[in-house]
Amino acid sequence: QVQLVQSGAEVKRPGASVKVSCKASGYTFEEYGFNYGITWVRQAPGQGLEWMGWISGYNDNTNYAQNLQGRVIMTTDTSTSTAYMELRSLTSDDTGVYFCARVKEEYGDPHWFDSWGQGTLVTVSS
Amino acid sequence: DIVMTQSPDSLAVSLGERATINCKSSQSLLYNSNKKNYLAWYQQRPGQPPKLLIYWASTRESGVPDRFSGSGSGTDFSLTISSLQAEDVAVYFCQQYYSTPHTFGPGTKVHVK
Repeated sequence: QVQLVQSGAEVKRPGASVKVSCKASGYTFEEYGFNYGITWVRQAPGQGLEWMGWISGYNDNTNYAQNLQGRVIMTTDTSTSTAYMELRSLTSDDTGVYFCARVKEEYGDPHWFDSWGQGTLVTVSS
Repeated sequence: DIVMTQSPDSLAVSLGERATINCKSSQSLLYNSNKKNYLAWYQQRPGQPPKLLIYWASTRESGVPDRFSGSGSGTDFSLTISSLQAEDVAVYFCQQYYSTPHTFGPGTKVHVK
């Protein structure tokens, strides 16, 4: 059974950075990296879902949302099947729940998100 | 960017009755080379992460009850719950994966009448 387990809630000051982890079990990046990448989606309080970007398991390429370019970095550690999302220069608009999800790929093209982490609440407040 | 819209915003349905949610994309999600529609549906129960229900617009994910069905092509899609159960109370999102950014619809809240 595929599971993605994320790190715990964070409280940050404006201008700080946050790094959220997402550890996979039930499959490994090394064995299934050809077919699956990791995407990050966030949800502001009471709002909808915002795609943040994706890191490919096929070729490690990244693709970030335009509004986050320069502030977000997505990485993976194949040896531990853990993905990371770092967001810098935080503002109150970044407050919300951050989800990682496994994304089905076909030759590096991302498709649907078939397993999700439980979410990590990031609160940005002075 | 492809803009996704959904209707209605909220839907009240009696238990056992049918619920239909509509989703529209600002451009076609039908890829001509494989004739597939690059659209997925997700369910998000309160306090939970989203859960994949449907991909390729009409393919049910393994383990999803068959009362959930997806239809449509091009720019117009629907998710139907044939007989609403109490556990189906949730917000439902459509999402396109035709091109990045992979945009979501704003969501439709389904509750019991």
